Amino acid sequence: DTEVTQTPKHLVMGMTNKKSLKCEQHMGHRAMYWYKQKAKKPPELMFVYSYEKLSINESVPSRFSPECPNSSLLNLHLHALQPEDSALYLCASSQILAETQYFGPGTRLLVL
Amino acid sequence: AQTVTQSQPEMSVQEAETVTLSCTYDTSESDYYLFWYKQPPSRQMILVIRQEAYKQQNATENRFSVNFQKAAKSFSLKISDSQLGDAAMYFCAYRREYGNKLVFGAGTILRVKS
Repeated sequence: DTEVTQTPKHLVMGMTNKKSLKCEQHMGHRAMYWYKQKAKKPPELMFVYSYEKLSINESVPSRFSPECPNSSLLNLHLHALQPEDSALYLCASSQILAETQYFGPGTRLLVL
Repeated sequence: AQTVTQSQPEMSVQEAETVTLSCTYDTSESDYYLFWYKQPPSRQMILVIRQEAYKQQNATENRFSVNFQKAAKSFSLKISDSQLGDAAMYFCAYRREYGNKLVFGAGTILRVKS
């Protein structure tokens, strides 16, 4: 079973709103990732967690705040986003770092 | 820095025919992994196939196979007996042996005609 789930599927928010994206996996994976993907472009890595600790932050603006409360769950807290942040946000997980990544279905975010 | 190039922005194939998607990469590493991911209109990225650079044998998964040419730094994907459900964006990706990051190509849109 290589299932990664993400909620919500779609999200519309204003620039002053605070919202959160959720990612969950029950495969016992200890590495989790957030990617941002614009239409017809490859995914861009944002954050990497390993054993619930932030391992990589790809110079992402502070209006994006990741959180890994336990080994199965990864959140992305959003605050004061800009319209250019509208994109598909993909979560992925792997057994450990440097292993094959499996992706969730994504959350399509629209910032108005 | 490693780079991945997919030179075909779009490809078309007739149902039941065979199509090959190209991918080249640049690296100075000797051990690494290569991947093909498929992203249909539903937008979920699905792992199609994986190749370890130290393995000479080309990976195969059902109708999907790769032609891995390490010296030429080439990693093409062959889809046999194409089906309508194969229509998607295909991304080639590279990862160093102990790396945390996937380096993606720009993607190839595959259209399947009935």
